[in-house]
Amino acid sequence: NAGVTQTPKFQVLKTGQSMTLQCAQDMNHEYMSWYRQDPGMGLRLIHYSVGAGITDQGEVPNGYNVSRSTTEDFPLRLLSAAPSQTSVYFCASSNRGQHEKLFFGSGTQLSVL
Amino acid sequence: AQSVTQPDIHITVSEGASLELRCNYSYGATPYLFWYVQSPGQGLQLLLKYFSGDTLVQGIKGFEAEFKRSQSSFNLRKPSVHWSDAAEYFCAVGDSSASKIIFGSGTRLSIRP
Repeated sequence: NAGVTQTPKFQVLKTGQSMTLQCAQDMNHEYMSWYRQDPGMGLRLIHYSVGAGITDQGEVPNGYNVSRSTTEDFPLRLLSAAPSQTSVYFCASSNRGQHEKLFFGSGTQLSVL
Repeated sequence: AQSVTQPDIHITVSEGASLELRCNYSYGATPYLFWYVQSPGQGLQLLLKYFSGDTLVQGIKGFEAEFKRSQSSFNLRKPSVHWSDAAEYFCAVGDSSASKIIFGSGTRLSIRP
C-alpha cells in the first residue's frame, strides 16, 4: 500500500517558470489537500478538495492552481514561480465521514531562484 | 472560517518533567481538533484527535489533550517527557466535515538532559 505519493522530491525553478507537483493516493480517500510548510509559520493550507471535480481555496491560494479530475490524483500547478514560493510542499488525504487522520506524502522541497 | 493559535514558539523542559503545550482555536461550531508531531526531517504523525464526547482525549506516546469549550482551548499534556519527545508539535482545527484542516504555527519542544 503506497499511501500518498508525491513527485518530485526536490525541484529547483527559475523565477517565472511553471511546473506541476504531482500527488496521488491509492486509499480511495475523498478528501485531498495541499499545504506549504515554512519556518515559523507551520503548515498553511493552499487548496483542498472534497471529491473529484470539487476544489476550494485554502489560506494561501494565490499563485497556485489545482484540479481534481479523479479521486486518486490532485496536482498542484505553479503558474509563474516566484521566490516567495520557495517552500516544502505536502499533499495529504483523508477519508470523508470517518474523521480519519490526515495521511501525508513525504513532501516536495521547492526552491525558486 | 476556522483558525488556530499556538502562542509558544519554543519550549524547553527537563527530561522527566511535565509538559503542557497550548492551543487556542476559533470556529463557530464544534470543531474537530488534532495534535500532530513532526520530528526533524520527518512527516507529520497524528498524536490524538477530538470530535465529540469525552473532553479528555488520550493519544499515543503517553500524550493527552483536554478540550475546553469555554476557553476555546485544546492543550496537549504529558506527565513526564522523554528525550525522544523533542520535536515540533502542531495543533490543527477542522471544519464541520473535517475536510478543511488548518494548522497552527507550531511549538518546538526541546528537552534538557
